[in-house]
Amino acid sequence: GIQVEQSPPDLILQEGANSTLRCNFSDSVNNLQWFHQNPWGQLINLFYIPSGTKQNGRLSATTVATERYSLLYISSSQTTDSGVYFCAVAYNQGGKLIFGQGTELSVKP
Amino acid sequence: SQTIHQWPATLVQPVGSPLSLECTVEGTSNPNLYWYRQAAGRGLQLLFYSVGIGQISSEVPQNLSASRPQDRQFILSSKKLLLSDSGFYLCAWRRGETQYFGPGTRLLVL
Repeated sequence: GIQVEQSPPDLILQEGANSTLRCNFSDSVNNLQWFHQNPWGQLINLFYIPSGTKQNGRLSATTVATERYSLLYISSSQTTDSGVYFCAVAYNQGGKLIFGQGTELSVKP
Repeated sequence: SQTIHQWPATLVQPVGSPLSLECTVEGTSNPNLYWYRQAAGRGLQLLFYSVGIGQISSEVPQNLSASRPQDRQFILSSKKLLLSDSGFYLCAWRRGETQYFGPGTRLLVL
């Protein structure tokens, strides 16, 4: 099956810093999503981005499907950005997502 | 607007006891529904998905089962819990190509 690898596994930032999270996947996909899991466990959708670039406020994402990777950019980080960021992919029409192991981000004040 | 509920929020159960976790979705009809488990160490694993009432697909053979008795209700069950069933159980529904997750149930099996 498809393998999804995220890097780095852990990241510590000072408030105001920028960061880039990476997601590599081993085969062609038709669905790629980024999620943020807050400290209470709630998973929040950030982007649906099987290809191209999207921006939402301080967050943006780029997926290069032909090279099988996606990047999540966080600019001017805030303490509320802390949590685990997951990349998830699907390769069929059933919407069955395969998750990476996540990047745990800690933003210090 | 659509909302997804999970019950209970937290559960502590002895080994060998039965389990029933409930997920309900409001504000939509005939959604695709999913059960995921997140064990310690972060990654989420798809357990079951359903495209309609009574239609269940199992992704990982194990000690759990799922049922969909009503259009917007998805239930995760076990007859006898194992220690390895401990984890964070998340229900999700699908709109278009995006999945939306419920608040989850934390299960600890002792």
